[in-house]
Amino acid sequence: DTAVSQTPKYLVTQMGNDKSIKCEQNLGHDTMYWYKQDSKKFLKIMFSYNNKELIINETVPNRFSPKSPDKAHLNLHINSLELGDSAVYFCASSQDRRGVQETQYFGPGTRLLVL
Amino acid sequence: GESVGLHLPTLSVQEGDNSIINCAYSNSASDYFIWYKQESGKGPQFIIDIRSNMDKRQGQRVTVLLNKTVKHLSLQIAATQPGDSAVYFCAENTGTGNQFYFGTGTSLTVIP
Repeated sequence: DTAVSQTPKYLVTQMGNDKSIKCEQNLGHDTMYWYKQDSKKFLKIMFSYNNKELIINETVPNRFSPKSPDKAHLNLHINSLELGDSAVYFCASSQDRRGVQETQYFGPGTRLLVL
Repeated sequence: GESVGLHLPTLSVQEGDNSIINCAYSNSASDYFIWYKQESGKGPQFIIDIRSNMDKRQGQRVTVLLNKTVKHLSLQIAATQPGDSAVYFCAENTGTGNQFYFGTGTSLTVIP
C-alpha cells in the first residue's frame, strides 16, 4: 500500500547509456514531480506534471525527459548518461487545488551511479 | 532563484532534550512552509507545515515557529528520541504553483 513508489531503487550504469526510472502514486493526486538530490543532500526540483501536462521544467539538460502516460505515473528517461548525473532521484506527488499549495509526498528514491 | 538556508548543518542532542532546528528564507513572498524529515536511505517525510497567516503551529512533539519579519523558521522537537535522528529540511513555496524550494538540510544526531 505504498503511496509513492519508484523503481528501481538502485541503478548502476555506464556513461553514455540510456536509462529510465519509473514512478507511480496511488494517492489520486493530480501533480507529480521529479527531484534530484546531490551528494550534499541538496534537493532540487527538476520537473512537475499536472494531469499529464508539463508545468515546471527547471534548468535541466534536455537529456532528461519526463513522460507521463497517465496521472498516476511519471517516468524519467535519461539519455547519454554522464558522471554528473550520479545522484538520488526522488519522485513526489501532491493534490492540485487551484491557488492552494499542497504538501508533497515523496517516494523512496532511486540511487543512480554512473561509472 | 530562491535561497533557503539552514544555520547549522549538524546538530547533536542528548536523548530527552529538546532540539531546535533553524531555517532562513530569502523570499518575503513565500507563504507556505513545510518541514521534512529524511532518514538514511529514505525519501523526505512530511512532519509539519505552516502558512504565513500563522506564527506557530504544534504537532505531536513538534512545533514550528514562523517569524516573517526576519524571514526565519524553526522546528522544535520536544523530548528528542533516537528515532528522531535524521536530516531535516525546510521548504518554502511562494504561491506560484506548487513549486517548493528546499534548504540544504540539518543533520540531527540523538545521543543515547
